[in-house]
Amino acid sequence: DSGVTQTPKHLITATGQRVTLRCSPRSGDLSVYWYQQSLDQGLQFLIQYYNGEERAKGNILERFSAQQFPDLHSELNLSSLELGDSALYFCASSAQGETTDTQYFGPGTRLTVL
Amino acid sequence: DQQVKQNSPSLSVQEGRISILNCDYTNSMFDYFLWYKKYPAEGPTFLISISSIKDKNEDGRFTVFLNKSAKHLSLHIVPSQPGDSAVYFCAASEFFRPGRDDKIIFGKGTRLHILP
Repeated sequence: DSGVTQTPKHLITATGQRVTLRCSPRSGDLSVYWYQQSLDQGLQFLIQYYNGEERAKGNILERFSAQQFPDLHSELNLSSLELGDSALYFCASSAQGETTDTQYFGPGTRLTVL
Repeated sequence: DQQVKQNSPSLSVQEGRISILNCDYTNSMFDYFLWYKKYPAEGPTFLISISSIKDKNEDGRFTVFLNKSAKHLSLHIVPSQPGDSAVYFCAASEFFRPGRDDKIIFGKGTRLHILP
């Protein structure tokens, strides 16, 4: 158990819909990262937050947005969903958000878009 | 354009032998490299890392080798054990460069099967 929690575990929705994925970091960790893992793309970094502020941005689509709240939990919002958005979405947390910090990953949310 | 490539989708190794997982990268600005291990239905877990000022880092049965001129790194597991069966992700980032990019770029992973 990494100490990072993600809800829900599974999500099935239809194209065009909007969903919110939630992540609670390990106690004391200030930085949260979001990743997408699809069959042919491996793990792709989406976005990083540190203490409520956006720190780094990766291959995140404009239809996707994220935020980190004062209690440090984070939400990833996916809108106008397409079939290709079906993937595993991982959240990770680290102590200070430095690249050399160990990132601890949650168990993931499996999103299926029908 | 894939900046971090793991060209072997899968690898099978006999228990007790050495497992060697390879990773190539294209961005010469990468200066920090990591390996993560992932079991089914779980998130990836950090295994070992190496910075570009070193060419080898060892932690128990796991050793990572870095060849900067070839833009290649490898993870050696010896001896391989059944619990090592998992997907291994190589990752890279620019850390030590001023104005660095904090993004970590992952490869697509290599599935390692340890055979009894």
